Amino acid sequence: AQSVTQPDIHITVSEGASLELRCNYSYGATPYLFWYVQSPGQGLQLLLKYFSGDTLVQGIKGFEAEFKRSQSSFNLRKPSVHWSDAAEYFCAVGRHNYQLIWGAGTKLIIKP
Amino acid sequence: DAGVTQSPTHLIKTRGQQVTLRCSPKSGHDTVSWYQQALGQGPQFIFQYYEEEERQRGNFPDRFSGHQFPNYSSELNVNALLLGDSALYLCASSLGGPGTGELFFGEGSRLTVL
Repeated sequence: AQSVTQPDIHITVSEGASLELRCNYSYGATPYLFWYVQSPGQGLQLLLKYFSGDTLVQGIKGFEAEFKRSQSSFNLRKPSVHWSDAAEYFCAVGRHNYQLIWGAGTKLIIKP
Repeated sequence: DAGVTQSPTHLIKTRGQQVTLRCSPKSGHDTVSWYQQALGQGPQFIFQYYEEEERQRGNFPDRFSGHQFPNYSSELNVNALLLGDSALYLCASSLGGPGTGELFFGEGSRLTVL
C-alpha cells in the first residue's frame, strides 16, 4: 500500500539550531516528492520538490531535502532555524497532482 | 497577483444540513482541486475540476459534489452533513489539468458540524 510516514508529530528546536524533519514513504515506483509548510492563517506553501536528477534539492526559505532511494526517505533540513519557521510541515509523494499521498505532518516549535 | 481565495473562512452547520464552499483560483490557473484536512492529518484529495468537468476523484461519497464555472472558480457542496465532515477544506489551483502542475493552496474553509 502507498503511504507516507512522518514519524515525529512534534519537534522542538532552539532558534539558531539545525533542523531535520523525517519523511519515509512506500510507493510502487519512484514518486515525485514534495515538502509543504502550513502556517496559521496561511495556505499550504510548497517548500521544495524532487522530480529527478540531483538528489539534494534546494528550496525556499533556506530549506533543503535529500532523496535517498535506498531508504525510501526524503528528509527536510535547515542549518539554522528562525522563529518564523514555526509551522506544520507536510511531506507528500505521488506522480500526479491529484494523486499526492500526504503525511500527517510534523509541528515545529521554536524555543527562543 | 491574487492567490487562491476561499470563502467562507469559518462556518458552523448541524447534522443533515448542506454546505457550499467557494474557491477562486490563482490568476491564470484553470484547474481546481479540493481537499479535506481533518485535525492532525494531512490533506485528503476529494476531486479535481478542469474544463468545467470533474476529472479525478478521491475516495469520497457522492454526498460530496462540485462545480467549476467558466471563469475557473469552483464550488464544493456537501449534502447530509455528518459529524465526521468537520474539517478544514482546502482548495488548490494549478495550470493545465490533471498532471504535474504545481498546486497553490488557499487558506481553507473550516467547517464545524454539530
